[in-house]
Amino acid sequence: ETGVTQTPRHLVMGMTNKKSLKCEQHLGHNAMYWYKQSAKKPLELMFVYSLEERVENNSVPSRFSPECPNSSHLFLHLHTLQPEDSALYLCASSQDPGTEYNEQFFGPGTRLTVL
Amino acid sequence: RKEVEQDPGPFNVPEGATVAFNCTYSNSASQSFFWYRQDCRKEPKLLMSVYSSGNEDGRFTAQLNRASQYISLLIRDSKLSDSATYLCVVNDMDSSYKLIFGSGTRLLVRP
Repeated sequence: ETGVTQTPRHLVMGMTNKKSLKCEQHLGHNAMYWYKQSAKKPLELMFVYSLEERVENNSVPSRFSPECPNSSHLFLHLHTLQPEDSALYLCASSQDPGTEYNEQFFGPGTRLTVL
Repeated sequence: RKEVEQDPGPFNVPEGATVAFNCTYSNSASQSFFWYRQDCRKEPKLLMSVYSSGNEDGRFTAQLNRASQYISLLIRDSKLSDSATYLCVVNDMDSSYKLIFGSGTRLLVRP
């Protein structure tokens, strides 16, 4: 399935590194999302972009910086992360954001380890 | 009280069994509900959407009880491949962009 793709799939970085996660959706959807999934915790929404405009920013630390250059691409820029930021980072997209029919489809995720 | 609560399990059942999971939600105004399936170290995949009283798709049936604020997922004739974590998801009435995820119920189907 290639509806939503993410790269890289695995990333190991030091606390002083800068890296970026990339997400691309091929579904013609209008909204894209970043989620964080830590072990034994529910998915946590980080950011939402609808029609390339950021509509949600869930009190995420500034060391995470999203970018949405167009409706098909979403980036998450990472800098000076902490070990507790190690998690699975999932990208999702949906066709009808802002409605009750907000079915979201996920990419395979990037498994991030911060040393 | 958590916004979306699920029994973490695991539910350990033999092949062919019928198994049901319940999920309770706190906001009585919530309008739409979803069940996602997540395999180990993989992404969640949409299994079923529930916008009215329920939905059925093959061996899977979801039922919504608005009065008691719970959603159930029934799996009939369990297959080994049904082994996964099942996530209950509710739309956030304060922000319709936002879905609230439960922690998931783990299902193990044994031969």
